[in-house]
Amino acid sequence: AQTVTQSQPEMSVQEAETVTLSCTYDTSESDYYLFWYKQPPSRQMILVIRQEAYKQQNATENRFSVNFQKAAKSFSLKISDSQLGDAAMYFCAYRSEGTGTASKLTFGTGTRLQVTL
Amino acid sequence: DAGVIQSPRHEVTEMGQEVTLRCKPISGHNSLFWYRQTMMRGLELLIYFNNNVPIDDSGMPEDRFSAKMPNASFSTLKIQPSEPRDSAVYFCASSFKGGKNTEAFFGQGTRLTVV
Repeated sequence: AQTVTQSQPEMSVQEAETVTLSCTYDTSESDYYLFWYKQPPSRQMILVIRQEAYKQQNATENRFSVNFQKAAKSFSLKISDSQLGDAAMYFCAYRSEGTGTASKLTFGTGTRLQVTL
Repeated sequence: DAGVIQSPRHEVTEMGQEVTLRCKPISGHNSLFWYRQTMMRGLELLIYFNNNVPIDDSGMPEDRFSAKMPNASFSTLKIQPSEPRDSAVYFCASSFKGGKNTEAFFGQGTRLTVV
């Protein structure tokens, strides 16, 4: 079974600074997706960014980028120019993509990000 | 599209009562998931459907939990009888599984409190 580990329960960053959230995963599969979801106090789960395992290039979405290290099974999220609205819980998630596999998401335990002035 | 719609947003019920949570997935999506979120256990998959058929219900905690998907646009999660330990936020999510899978889109969740 796949597992996702987020070892940082809480992180803090000053506004306009950069922060990196860590995520590692364990799998024997070669075809999969990795995701970062954001959950603000409203509790809505919002997709931040996704990475296809077969792509070597790291995904980027505006101020959000990932550092995907497939051999190390590491998938960290970098938030640049942090804003107050970035304060939320961030969840790393894994999804199998092979034929016949389930399309369910396996989540990490989350990292709570605080943004200070 | 209005996104995944869940109802109710909040539910408070007494122990022993039946609770029904509802979900309308995004039109065109063929996979539907029910997740439960608690402080102790995080986000857990309860059950998921593909083309209205339950594929994996191994996350359903007990026989008190049941889920149905009578058609592509509606699903329910029922707890009967409810217990205080069922208090959690329940999320429904949908996605498309096919040649190119989409990411999962989540509803806003139902916060269930069993007293």
